[in-house]
Amino acid sequence: DIQMTQSPASLSASLGETVTIECRASEDIYNGLAWYQQKPGKSPQLLIYNANSLHTGVPSRFSGSGSGTQYSLKINSLQSEDVASYFCQQYYNYPLTFGSGTKLEIK
Amino acid sequence: EVQLVETGGGLVQPGRSLKLSCVASGFTFSSYWMYWIRQAPGKGLEWVSSINTDGGSTYYPDSVKGRFTISRDNAENTVYLQMNSLRSEDTATYYCAKDAGGFDYWGQGVMVTVSS
Repeated sequence: DIQMTQSPASLSASLGETVTIECRASEDIYNGLAWYQQKPGKSPQLLIYNANSLHTGVPSRFSGSGSGTQYSLKINSLQSEDVASYFCQQYYNYPLTFGSGTKLEIK
Repeated sequence: EVQLVETGGGLVQPGRSLKLSCVASGFTFSSYWMYWIRQAPGKGLEWVSSINTDGGSTYYPDSVKGRFTISRDNAENTVYLQMNSLRSEDTATYYCAKDAGGFDYWGQGVMVTVSS
């Protein structure tokens, strides 16, 4: 099974700051990676797919990068509505696996 | 507008069965793989099952293999999850989701509680 190690587990940042969340796969996943945002009490929403492609309607302050086993999600100009949990997920191979999540708060 | 609406959740005793349904609209259902994903209270996300476009191929993690069965009815735009021999660790919100390389649309989720 491919393990997804996500860091940090929690993050506190100020409005307008840039934050980065990392995800490391236990083996090469060839950019088969998605990022999701989940606000409290809501369903997850797709932000990024194929490691660096922005899903329709997602603000351009979100971006994804990486390759091989190392991937990251960057949020520029942090806004109050970005308070949420963020999850990475690999879909390169079964079983499909998620990172453990990052809880983002505003400082 | 893509919509996925799950139903069928509730409180069930350990060892019993439950069947979830997810009705899809706003896209050509028969052209997409569909998935079930769950989230235990306060926990992360766990993939539960996948089904291909004609229902001929299905996939499960070891945690539910042999107990859960995913199926679909393309005429009714519905995907199902039959859950047998339920355990307390199956307690979670269950989401259906549509395939896009990742999951591009999710339902609102349905709560399943396994408890005596």
